[in-house]
Amino acid sequence: DAGVIQSPRHEVTEMGQEVTLRCKPISGHNSLFWYRQTMMRGLELLIYFNNNVPIDDSGMPEDRFSAKMPNASFSTLKIQPSEPRDSAVYFCASSLYRGGDTEAFFGQGTRLTVV
Amino acid sequence: SQQGEEDPQALSIQEGENATMNCSYKTSINNLQWYRQNSGRGLVHLILIRSNEREKHSGRLRVTLDTSKKSSSLLITASRAADTASYFCATGEGGSYIPTFGRGTSLIVHP
Repeated sequence: DAGVIQSPRHEVTEMGQEVTLRCKPISGHNSLFWYRQTMMRGLELLIYFNNNVPIDDSGMPEDRFSAKMPNASFSTLKIQPSEPRDSAVYFCASSLYRGGDTEAFFGQGTRLTVV
Repeated sequence: SQQGEEDPQALSIQEGENATMNCSYKTSINNLQWYRQNSGRGLVHLILIRSNEREKHSGRLRVTLDTSKKSSSLLITASRAADTASYFCATGEGGSYIPTFGRGTSLIVHP
């Protein structure tokens, strides 16, 4: 398996524009996480899906952020409109949760710069 | 807020020395995990220790867990320049299995 695949790797956009980040989890995994990493706040959990259903989105900063998982092999994180403070590295991770211990597998991240 | 917090924030050592990083957390846990992040890359899972375990080894890694103190330590023995990375602990708040991360310890190993 190629691991968790995120695209794009880098995104530079102007303030006010819509940004869509994409993630393909590892085949067979049933849990998907979106995290945001900044120097100031570290690695923050934004949203967690289990079996394609959003379970916990309490980490989504505000209504400008939305995430979807239309099927088991694809998820998107959308920011609309984007702001400079959204600049960060966004990670997608997946895992196979079977009611016990599980490790998360991370993608390479998308570095977002909003100017 | 962060569930886990690593200490120290930064650590600089010479190759061959041991590196010890600590993690403190706030709530009950099912397990505690350590991850590594190389610059510009995603996190990679290193080791998982369950709440009923006190110590675990994997190669040059040794992890301890003290649930009474809500703390864990990661020891890397005989460090190598290739160990240079950031190290994160992750736990699930209140017994959740959703990994919540600390800010990490930045380790630099000088050759």
